[in-house]
Amino acid sequence: AQSVTQLDSQVPVFEEAPVELRCNYSSSVSVYLFWYVQYPNQGLQLLLKYLSGSTLVESINGFEAEFNKSQTSFHLRKPSVHISDTAEYFCAVLKKYGGYNKLIFGAGTRLAVHP
Amino acid sequence: DTEVTQTPKHLVMGMTNKKSLKCEQHMGHRAMYWYKQKAKKPPELMFVYSYEKLSINESVPSRFSPECPNSSLLNLHLHALQPEDSALYLCASSQERPEGNEQYFGPGTRLTVT
Repeated sequence: AQSVTQLDSQVPVFEEAPVELRCNYSSSVSVYLFWYVQYPNQGLQLLLKYLSGSTLVESINGFEAEFNKSQTSFHLRKPSVHISDTAEYFCAVLKKYGGYNKLIFGAGTRLAVHP
Repeated sequence: DTEVTQTPKHLVMGMTNKKSLKCEQHMGHRAMYWYKQKAKKPPELMFVYSYEKLSINESVPSRFSPECPNSSLLNLHLHALQPEDSALYLCASSQERPEGNEQYFGPGTRLTVT
């Protein structure tokens, strides 16, 4: 069963506009949630994480995500995007298999910021 | 320092070649991972090492052979690959705790099998 759903495969947006990238997870998985960003021809970079505590988590480059248990969502937002934010964004959950944790990724959302 | 390094950055190999991919981290992480990523797809888990022991093999063909010589190094030995094995191979590491841990990824090795 799919554990993570990213509802939009592509999100085009103009520079300085706000953006929201949507992520929903299966309620049966653990509530350890992550957003990773992948710039062209690079590896994945951890953008932000929710492990416990405050439901609103922020990154150093202006992104934030809110863990919403009732809606099983972990949407990523930024109030004003830059051209340099153009990248692939992956939402992920940590799922327990036996004694081990596995990172389950969504299909990804391509954010394209236009001037 | 949250750096995971991978070598080489690019690799082109024939179907009869033997090559190895290397991964290194110095964050004291005791879990290390190999992922395969095809274009426009999310990473797919291949192997997990925990305390230098193979703990998960996601039914990967035997032409891929992982090795963990010590707690900082992870290798992936390649032999008799197929063109469909061409992909970005990502290494990652994390702390080993029962609760959630974030994984840190390397830049990847772009593999082309001819």
